[in-house]
Amino acid sequence: DAGITQSPRHKVTETGTPVTLRCHQTENHRYMYWYRQDPGHGLRLIHYSYGVKDTDKGEVSDGYSVSRSKTEDFLLTLESATSSQTSVYFCAIRGTSNHYEQYFGPGTRLTVT
Amino acid sequence: AQSVAQPEDQVNVAEGNPLTVKCTYSVSGNPYLFWYVQYPNRGLQFLLKYITGDNLVKGSYGFEAEFNKSQTSFHLKKPSALVSDSALYFCAVRDRDKIIFGKGTRLHILP
Repeated sequence: DAGITQSPRHKVTETGTPVTLRCHQTENHRYMYWYRQDPGHGLRLIHYSYGVKDTDKGEVSDGYSVSRSKTEDFLLTLESATSSQTSVYFCAIRGTSNHYEQYFGPGTRLTVT
Repeated sequence: AQSVAQPEDQVNVAEGNPLTVKCTYSVSGNPYLFWYVQYPNRGLQFLLKYITGDNLVKGSYGFEAEFNKSQTSFHLKKPSALVSDSALYFCAVRDRDKIIFGKGTRLHILP
C-alpha cells in the first residue's frame, strides 16, 4: 500500500455528527487525494492536495472539507455526516515518476446511521 | 474533459481461457492511461500504464494492455486466466493533476 495508512479503518456514526478521517504517508509525496467508492459509480474524487496548505476540490466535494498542515497527513472532514456519505473512502498519493499514477491506501468504511 | 468508459459491468471467463476487459477513452491531446485492480476489501492496486511508445504495455501479474489510437481503446488482456484474477478492474485516464476512473468491470474467472 505504498506506505499509506488510513484511520480509522471502520467507523459507524450518527447523522449530524462530525467525522474526520486521516490519511498518513511516510514517503514525502507532494500530491495526496481523497476518493469515495460507491457501487455503480467507481471512484470519485472528493478533494486533493498539491502541497502543505494547498488543496483543491474534486468532483464530489460538497459536504466535505480537507486540511493538510504537514506533508505526511491529509485529513478529510465531514462537518455534519449524512446517510448519503455512507461509503468507502480511499486515500491515494501520486507516485514519484512523472507519469501521474497513484497508489492507494487500504480504505475506511464509513457508515452513517 | 478527459473520460474513460468501461462498457461491461461484468465479464465471465473460464479458467485457462484468454480474457479481455474493455476500456475506451476520450481525451484532448495525448492520453496517459492506467489500469488498476481491486481485490475484495482492499485498496486499488496499480497494474500498468500507457504514456507513449509501444502500443502493447506489459504490467503486473501477467496482464498487458493494448493501446489503439484509431479506436480510442485501451483494453486489458491476459493470455490465460486464473481463478485468482477474479476482481474489480478499473480503467483510468490522467486529467491534469488528477486521474479520472471508469466505473469498473467485475471479472469472474470460472473454475
